[in-house]
Amino acid sequence: SQQGEEDPQALSIQEGENATMNCSYKTSINNLQWYRQNSGRGLVHLILIRSNEREKHSGRLRVTLDTSKKSSSLLITASRAADTASYFCATGEGAQKLVFGQGTRLTINP
Amino acid sequence: DVKVTQSSRYLVKRTGEKVFLECVQDMDHENMFWYRQDPGLGLRLIYFSYDVKMKEKGDIPEGYSVSREKKERFSLILESASTNQTSMYLCASSAFTSETQYFGPGTRLLVL
Repeated sequence: SQQGEEDPQALSIQEGENATMNCSYKTSINNLQWYRQNSGRGLVHLILIRSNEREKHSGRLRVTLDTSKKSSSLLITASRAADTASYFCATGEGAQKLVFGQGTRLTINP
Repeated sequence: DVKVTQSSRYLVKRTGEKVFLECVQDMDHENMFWYRQDPGLGLRLIYFSYDVKMKEKGDIPEGYSVSREKKERFSLILESASTNQTSMYLCASSAFTSETQYFGPGTRLLVL
């Protein structure tokens, strides 16, 4: 069952600009996570935000969560070429299962 | 450092063959997962396991089975491979007390 839907599906920006990706979901959640996937590789965990949190920071990453709108956003500031990847949101509803969205493909142009 | 390894990066098999995909983690994690990833469909959960010899069906278990005889190893089995099982297969693990999953590099399987 697909829970998260990322928007946009693809995003292309210039190096140094900020990138914002959004995720919407349908049911109640315990937590929401963001993962990054470089081309042809496995996923790497970036950040987790719990349902009782509204905002979280990690380095150049800022995640917000609005449970009333069932949505989250991931902001990457001062983007670099190495940030080129696909980004996935994943929602945790209980236990340890996660449900992943379809991802946003981010391209950083030099 | 956390490590999840998968037995092959690329695999080519013929229709009808039995296929084994192996995943090993060295973090003493209780939970292990198998996903498949297809363009436009994201990651879909095939099976997961909370403990040795335990398994639970995910969203798309048809055509697959799994085996977990040891805590560190979780195998995905395609009993009779079909062309619609051509995909990227990702293994992941997590600790019982944590929601964060750690992924292997993936196996790209082509069934001819």
